[in-house]
Amino acid sequence: QVQLQESGPGLVKPSQTLSLTCTVSGGSISSGGYYWSWIRQHPGKGLEWIGYIYYSGSTYYNPSLKSRVTISVDTSKNQFSLKLSSVTAADTAVYYCARDLAYCGGDCYPEGYFDYWGQGTLVTVSS
Amino acid sequence: EIVLTQSPGTLSLSPGERATLSCRASQSVSSSYLAWYQQKPGQAPRLLIYGASSRATGIPDRFSGSGSGTDFTLTISRLEPEDFAVYYCQQYGSSLMYTFGQGTKLEIK
Repeated sequence: QVQLQESGPGLVKPSQTLSLTCTVSGGSISSGGYYWSWIRQHPGKGLEWIGYIYYSGSTYYNPSLKSRVTISVDTSKNQFSLKLSSVTAADTAVYYCARDLAYCGGDCYPEGYFDYWGQGTLVTVSS
Repeated sequence: EIVLTQSPGTLSLSPGERATLSCRASQSVSSSYLAWYQQKPGQAPRLLIYGASSRATGIPDRFSGSGSGTDFTLTISRLEPEDFAVYYCQQYGSSLMYTFGQGTKLEIK
């Protein structure tokens, strides 16, 4: 059974960088076959996709956040990480990591839905 | 960016009734790339439907999805007490972006 678990500081000061890690168990990131995403949910609001990474390191980010986001992968630890720079109160949210299957013909593409999610972690931006 | 608009915002029904939730896209969405999720308070979303009409593993058959183009529907044939939650539709599009609808809250009448 695949499990995803987010970890990182629950409180970040304005203008600093938010850093979160998602640890995957029950499956190996390096085996390929999946895209690994970060998604956030502002308090009481809907869901916003932040970006994804493939095991090879290729990434794609939401254009609205692209200038501030970096997603990286550490296959040796079976983890992938999110860095969001220059945070403001508007970045206060529950952050989820999630998995999307990859469809590989010649190239690989996301299947387009998230079958496993972490439990989420609340990050508050405040001084 | 494709915008998904869900209706109604809140749906008040009783256990045993049929629920019909709508998701309308601002432009055509490939049926392969339309999914539905259920979210309960304090929990992560749970995948219900993918490819517009395929049930995810372990999802009861009272949940069904349909639609194409810009109009998609999630139907719960006979509501159970545990079905009262918030439901989101989600698409993955040609811009390589995932977007979610704003959600429909299904509440007990």
